[in-house]
Amino acid sequence: GEDVEQSLFLSVREGDSSVINCTYTDSSSTYLYWYKQEPGAGLQLLTYIFSNMDMKQDQRLTVLLNKKDKHLSLRIADTQTGDSAIYFCAERGGGSYIPTFGRGTSLIVHP
Amino acid sequence: KAGVTQTPRYLIKTRGQQVTLSCSPISGHRSVSWYQQTPGQGLQFLFEYFSETQRNKGNFPGRFSGRQFSNSRSEMNVSTLELGDSALYLCASSSRTGSSYEQYFGPGTRLTVT
Repeated sequence: GEDVEQSLFLSVREGDSSVINCTYTDSSSTYLYWYKQEPGAGLQLLTYIFSNMDMKQDQRLTVLLNKKDKHLSLRIADTQTGDSAIYFCAERGGGSYIPTFGRGTSLIVHP
Repeated sequence: KAGVTQTPRYLIKTRGQQVTLSCSPISGHRSVSWYQQTPGQGLQFLFEYFSETQRNKGNFPGRFSGRQFSNSRSEMNVSTLELGDSALYLCASSSRTGSSYEQYFGPGTRLTVT
């Protein structure tokens, strides 16, 4: 079935940029999403991108999509300690239209 | 406006019992989806409802079912509980207008099966 892969951990210094990467296997993915989950909290949709786009910017967040390589990235500019959380990549589309999530990348921001 | 609410927040059940979880979406949202989150399997999609109709269903056994009412509130039911059903169950409501999409999650129901 469809698969979404992410690295498990990313550690950055406060003020630096963070780049979280994700690869997926379903070439017919229509929508790709980034979610944030803080400790003990529910999920928050951060941003999304349609498969016919290659970039989307929203304040400190930049999403890049390379459809040929099935690679999605989330860049957080000027990373703050409040950005420490688990970030999930997800894709949706294809025949089943069922969303598939990655295992999440734990972003640790240190001073 | 009020966020997505889920009840109960915590639940302890024993194997073989059944459970019903409730979700109230954001006012005006007609789509509700459910997810299961466990340390072992991660986040998995359960089902999605729109205007009282199930639009999509994830790869879960028939013990997992759901429904949506005319006021968009949704319930999910798990019958014959197994230990592996212990999880955080998240509900989300969403709305799509043109190319704009918004989705909000509730705080989740933590289900423990003993």
